[in-house]
Order: sequence, then structure tokens, then C-alpha cells
Amino acid sequence: QKEVEQNSGPLSVPEGAIASLNCTYSDRVSQSFFWYRQYSGKSPELIMSIYSNGDKEDGRFTAQLNKASQYVSLLIRDSQPSDSATYLCAVIRGGSNYKLTFGKGTLLTVNP
Amino acid sequence: ETGVTQSPTHLIKTRGQQVTLRCSSQSGHNTVSWYQQALGQGPQFIFQYYREEENGRGNFPPRFSGLQFPNYSSELNVNALELDDSALYLCASSLGTGGGQPQHFGDGTRLSIL
Repeated sequence: QKEVEQNSGPLSVPEGAIASLNCTYSDRVSQSFFWYRQYSGKSPELIMSIYSNGDKEDGRFTAQLNKASQYVSLLIRDSQPSDSATYLCAVIRGGSNYKLTFGKGTLLTVNP
Repeated sequence: ETGVTQSPTHLIKTRGQQVTLRCSSQSGHNTVSWYQQALGQGPQFIFQYYREEENGRGNFPPRFSGLQFPNYSSELNVNALELDDSALYLCASSLGTGGGQPQHFGDGTRLSIL
């Protein structure tokens, strides 16, 4: 079982719709969770961090964490073509609290 | 506030050569982590430096080595380059090593091995 798993996509949504990106992780002691956005040929850009169960909202983005289910998600409301990118889920486990473990990323395409 | 800067942007080397990649951390950040990202994959952790000491290492061979300087800038050195070393090399900086500290990435160095 991979440490962090994401559906590689591509996920295609129409402009203005809600995009839902999902991530599961295998290590129960994981403590910190991050979503990065990566445009083609560019480096990852941090867009959300979440540390406790529940929802965290920032503008059009909402991160959701469920530690019991070992599941973290990212919702993007009112999706725009500029949101088209690969979204990387990353986890820091407790104990070895220094390295980010990434999923392979989900490619999101927002169609005008 | 100055972000994370990496140099060079692109580099082409041949098998067996050695390469040094450089990273300047974001202003105020004392921790630098290096990652390797192969095409179509998520970044893989190489190692982290905190206060000039290695603070953890991923599953990479010893020919991958690093340094951190008193100003918190860092170098990644790779000896005896192999074709599989072709990748985007990313440097990320953070304030401290705590798991809650977000890591911010530079633009990366794209290394191609011929």
C-alpha cells in the first residue's frame, strides 16, 4: 500500500463547478496535511494546510480532514480555467516530523 | 520578503559527471529540504538541513550529499550521475523542523543526464 494515494485523473469539470480532489494516507500517526498546486513545468505552490479533523476554508478552497478514515480532501468552488493544474497531497507523519510524503498528484482540467 | 531561489534553472550533464545545485532559503527560514521529482511523479524527499546539520534523509544513495551554510543557504551535490537522476530538483524552506511548519518551494532545477 502506498503511503499517500491520489486518483491520478484527469479530473475534468466545467467552469463554475465544484472540483473535489481526494487523498488517502496509510500512516495513522500522520499529523500534518498539505495541498500543493503545480502548474505544468513549474514547482509546487502551497495552497492549504490542515492539522485537525474537520473543514478549513480559505477563499474558494476548502480542505477536509478525517483522521479516523485517514482521508483528506480539497474542494475548489467556482472552478476557473486558471485552476487547471496538478494537485499534490502531502503528509508529514508524527515522529519523523520533517519530510513531506507526496502522492502522485491529480490532474485537474477546468473547461471554459 | 524574498522567496526560495534556486540555481541554475536548467542543467545538462553526462553520465558519470558530478553536479552541484544551489538554494537560498526564504527570508527568516532556517531549514532547507531537498526533493527529487521525476516526470509524472510526486516529489521524493532526499534530505533536510537544519542549522547546518543533516536532519533526516530519504531513500537516496550516499552519492547524493548536501551542505547548509551559516546564512541557511544550501547545496545539493550528486556524484557519478546516472540516467535515472534526470529530474526536477526542488528545494523547500521552512521555519524550523516542526511538522506543522509549511514548506515553500523554489522554482527548481531541471537536470538532464545524457
